[in-house]
Amino acid sequence: AQTVTQSQPEMSVQEAETVTLSCTYDTSESDYYLFWYKQPPSRQMILVIRQEAYKQQNATENRFSVNFQKAAKSFSLKISDSQLGDAAMYFCAYSTYPQGGSEKLVFGKGTKLTVNP
Amino acid sequence: DAGVIQSPRHEVTEMGQEVTLRCKPISGHNSLFWYRQTMMRGLELLIYFNNNVPIDDSGMPEDRFSAKMPNASFSTLKIQPSEPRDSAVYFCASSAGLAGVNEQFFGPGTRLTVL
Repeated sequence: AQTVTQSQPEMSVQEAETVTLSCTYDTSESDYYLFWYKQPPSRQMILVIRQEAYKQQNATENRFSVNFQKAAKSFSLKISDSQLGDAAMYFCAYSTYPQGGSEKLVFGKGTKLTVNP
Repeated sequence: DAGVIQSPRHEVTEMGQEVTLRCKPISGHNSLFWYRQTMMRGLELLIYFNNNVPIDDSGMPEDRFSAKMPNASFSTLKIQPSEPRDSAVYFCASSAGLAGVNEQFFGPGTRLTVL
């Protein structure tokens, strides 16, 4: 079974600085998706960024980027120019590559990010 | 689009009572997922449907839990009888269900408290 591990239960960063959240996963599949979701105190789950395993180029979305190391099964999230609104729980998630329909997400335990003014 | 709609947002009930959680997926989405979030276990999948058909219910804790999707626009998760350990936030998510695409959109969740 696939597993996702987030080794940092909590992280903190100063406003405007950069922070990196770690994620490792275990799978025997060659094609799959990886995601980072943000959960603010409102508890709404918001997709931040996703990466298809077959793509070598790291995904970026504005201030958010990933470092995808397929051989090492590592998928870290970098947040640049951190803002107070970035404070939230961040979840790394994995899914197998959907063939004929959607696939379930397997989540890590989450990292609580605090942004200090 | 209104996004995924869940009701109720909060539910407080007593042990032994029946609880029904409801979900309306995004129109046009044909995959629907029920997740449960607790401090101890994190986010875990309970069951998911493709085209109204249950695909994987291995995460359903026990026979007290049941889920249905009678049509493409509605799903229920029922707990009968409820127990204090069922207290959690229950999320419903939907996706378009296209091959090669797997973005899931989450509802706001239902916070269930069983006394």
